[in-house]
Amino acid sequence: DTGVSQDPRHKITKRGQNVTFRCDPISEHNRLYWYRQTLGQGPEFLTYFQNEAQLEKSRLLSDRFSAERPKGSFSTLEIQRTEQGDSAMYLCASSFPAGHNEQFFGPGTRLTVL
Amino acid sequence: RKEVEQDPGPFNVPEGATVAFNCTYSNSASQSFFWYRQDCRKEPKLLMSVYSSGNEDGRFTAQLNRASQYISLLIRDSKLSDSATYLCVSLRRGYSTLTFGKGTMLLVSP
Repeated sequence: DTGVSQDPRHKITKRGQNVTFRCDPISEHNRLYWYRQTLGQGPEFLTYFQNEAQLEKSRLLSDRFSAERPKGSFSTLEIQRTEQGDSAMYLCASSFPAGHNEQFFGPGTRLTVL
Repeated sequence: RKEVEQDPGPFNVPEGATVAFNCTYSNSASQSFFWYRQDCRKEPKLLMSVYSSGNEDGRFTAQLNRASQYISLLIRDSKLSDSATYLCVSLRRGYSTLTFGKGTMLLVSP
């Protein structure tokens, strides 16, 4: 399968714990995005990388959130001191900067904070 | 006001029906538009890009009206497998991140 992959698919954690998610984009795509989706809402943008550079961060991305893409390939999203409001589906997408910049999504990591 | 607005539905239609969804956007700097399909508890999947002249892909037709700032999606001859949430998406000029509507749920019944 050469699509976007994410790991883990599900994560249950207790409030206050740290969690880290991984995203592997489509191999020739140099742009990588993180979105968050809660029930009944569309995905909301969190942050975006072009190669290893983090070019944009949403106001939704509080100080407890950090994302990296150290070698311009896979990316990690870490949430420190999780809160119940962090419970959501975390989606990763990738794209190649041509045409209409169509973005392709991974299966997501569903986070539940107890 | 949300940047991209959609009627959440659900739209309940019988198999074979034609159904249309509209979506409005408020940011005139929006440059590109897309329709994504999302099945329950799955990731969004690109259904089609929306071009200024309108475009068709099989049973699906997308239209863009920049003057009125709305996008439409028409599905002809609905199939049971078309049941899903359809997300209207915009991309602002000079930006690379997508803005999603809340989605419109479609339920096609036998």
